[in-house]
Amino acid sequence: QLQLQESGPGLVRPSETLSLTCTVSGGSTTSGSYYWGWIRQPPGKGLEWIGSIYKNGTTYYNPSLTGGVTISADTSKNQFSLKLNSVTAADTAVYFCATQRIFAGHFYYGMDVWGQGTTVIVTS
Amino acid sequence: SYVLTQPPSVSVAPGKTARITCGGNNIGAENVIWYQQKAGQAPVLLIYLNIDRPSGIPERFSGSNSGNTATLTITRVEAGDEADYYCQVWDYSGLSWVFGGGTKLTVL
Repeated sequence: QLQLQESGPGLVRPSETLSLTCTVSGGSTTSGSYYWGWIRQPPGKGLEWIGSIYKNGTTYYNPSLTGGVTISADTSKNQFSLKLNSVTAADTAVYFCATQRIFAGHFYYGMDVWGQGTTVIVTS
Repeated sequence: SYVLTQPPSVSVAPGKTARITCGGNNIGAENVIWYQQKAGQAPVLLIYLNIDRPSGIPERFSGSNSGNTATLTITRVEAGDEADYYCQVWDYSGLSWVFGGGTKLTVL
């Protein structure tokens, strides 16, 4: 059974880089059936998709994010990661990783497996 | 970019039917996905391909999609259905996932 677990520092200083990792178990980041993505939720607000990556390195990012976002994968560790540069208080949120199953190149199935989420607070 | 509009809140008495809408330009042509998020938890996939349910999701949850509105319908509402509900689509033109703003379902 596919499971995801986020990890990373809970506190980040303004202007620094937020780095999170999602560890995959019960499946592989080399699977051709999934994109692997990041979603965040600021306190009391809705869900915001950050970006997603495929096994071949193809990435999609939320065009509305003005800061530098990078999603990468380490298939040897069965992990994928998020880096968000020059964070501000507006980046304080619960960060989730999630799978997006694909079929014939289409995202028919949504995000069917989620990690439990990790809280990141941007504070000096 | 594509915009999805949901009502901030919906209230319903136990045992009644709740309908949560998701508006978007010609959304009937899109594949709409719905999630349920209970307080302090990760979202759970409820509906995909507009009407399909993953295994384990009760039949009380159903989806429809036509014109400019997609609808999540919850029949025989229970106290345990109290949660935030989000719609989502993949925007093929912007190559991005789009979430609606979410609807808080209150069971009276």
